[in-house]
Amino acid sequence: KAGVTQTPRYLIKTRGQQVTLSCSPISGHRSVSWYQQTPGQGLQFLFEYFSETQRNKGNFPGRFSGRQFSNSRSEMNVSTLELGDSALYLCASSLSGWTGELFFGEGSRLTVL
Amino acid sequence: GESVGLHLPTLSVQEGDNSIINCAYSNSASDYFIWYKQESGKGPQFIIDIRSNMDKRQGQRVTVLLNKTVKHLSLQIAATQPGDSAVYFCAENAGNTPLVFGKGTRLSVIA
Repeated sequence: KAGVTQTPRYLIKTRGQQVTLSCSPISGHRSVSWYQQTPGQGLQFLFEYFSETQRNKGNFPGRFSGRQFSNSRSEMNVSTLELGDSALYLCASSLSGWTGELFFGEGSRLTVL
Repeated sequence: GESVGLHLPTLSVQEGDNSIINCAYSNSASDYFIWYKQESGKGPQFIIDIRSNMDKRQGQRVTVLLNKTVKHLSLQIAATQPGDSAVYFCAENAGNTPLVFGKGTRLSVIA
């Protein structure tokens, strides 16, 4: 069974640009959540999607957005990039939500110059 | 590999010894707890979970203990191996809400 796949694995952007990250969940998983991981703040929850609907949202500015498609694949977008957006962005999938195990991908490492 | 935490608490143990990693949580309403392991360059990997109606749960070489009175969670790893070297995170949630992760502890196994 294939795991959670995130693309791209590494990317470099400059301030003011925008970026789109992609996540393919484990087959059959309908919940996809996104986390930002930085050395200073640890893992911070961004948002969760279930059946194409945003079900939960963390405390991040509106520059951070996401969506989920009918096949459960998800994308997140960050617009007007800032230096502080440099982080590892992790996607996790689960069958139905937060009451069981989350399966994480290996992340997308974003560097903003 | 990537550094997931430059200033994390670090626990160094001798290979073959037992490791105990501790975690304090703040939300008294939390009823589900998970331990994750993150190796360099990889995403977090599930180790073991426990619900609030239990105080102990055992897996293969790992045991999680939950003390709700003092809001404390611990992960015990028996006969620690070099492959156990990683950053360990506890996570909690209350009901169907997003998991909240702790800051992590780096475990370093000395061969």
